[in-house]
Amino acid sequence: DGGITQSPKYLFRKEGQNVTLSCEQNLNHDAMYWYRQDPGQGLRLIYYSQIVNDFQKGDIAEGYSVSREKKESFPLTVTSAQKNPTAFYLCASSIALWIYEQYFGPGTRLTVT
Amino acid sequence: GQQVMQIPQYQHVQEGEDFTTYCNSSTTLSNIQWYKQRPGGHPVFLIQLVKSGEVKKQKRLTFQFGEAKKNSSLHITATQTTDVGTYFCAGPKTRTMDSNYQLIWGAGTKLIIKP
Repeated sequence: DGGITQSPKYLFRKEGQNVTLSCEQNLNHDAMYWYRQDPGQGLRLIYYSQIVNDFQKGDIAEGYSVSREKKESFPLTVTSAQKNPTAFYLCASSIALWIYEQYFGPGTRLTVT
Repeated sequence: GQQVMQIPQYQHVQEGEDFTTYCNSSTTLSNIQWYKQRPGGHPVFLIQLVKSGEVKKQKRLTFQFGEAKKNSSLHITATQTTDVGTYFCAGPKTRTMDSNYQLIWGAGTKLIIKP
């Protein structure tokens, strides 16, 4: 089955630690995205990538970093510089950037205490 | 800046009643997408509208794109418990400095079925 996987589903970290969230897709999509969702709110874009070895900041990139070394993988690192990291993180992909439907992974719920 | 506003934020209905959510953009959109997110789940694509005045139906769901391509609506007839969730609209944001777009999202409308 084709799809997007994110792991882990739940993640707990202490304040001051960096943490990396995994996102893998086998849909052969060029574009990938990371969103953050806070309770009762919509999706806010963190980073996006059009092709391998290329990525762009979204609206709330501060305190986050990404890499795109392989087409299938787009990991997100939440650094200690992110002031309010506790949130639901969603990874998505699409055939090409923006104009096609986005397929979402199941998400990772990060709690930092 | 460019915004996509979605109303209402919540809608409580009795099972069997209709539900409507509205999406309004501050600028003309080339297209609009609709997604559904079940409680605890992730957004799932429902449909994309492209043409001015377009109306598309999926069983009990009716999607409309306004003539000016600045607003859209999703109407559900005779809601069922399986319709529970949050419905989002999303439209492309034009960047001024380059040809790349971003997709900007409405805040969503949460459909709650009253017991």
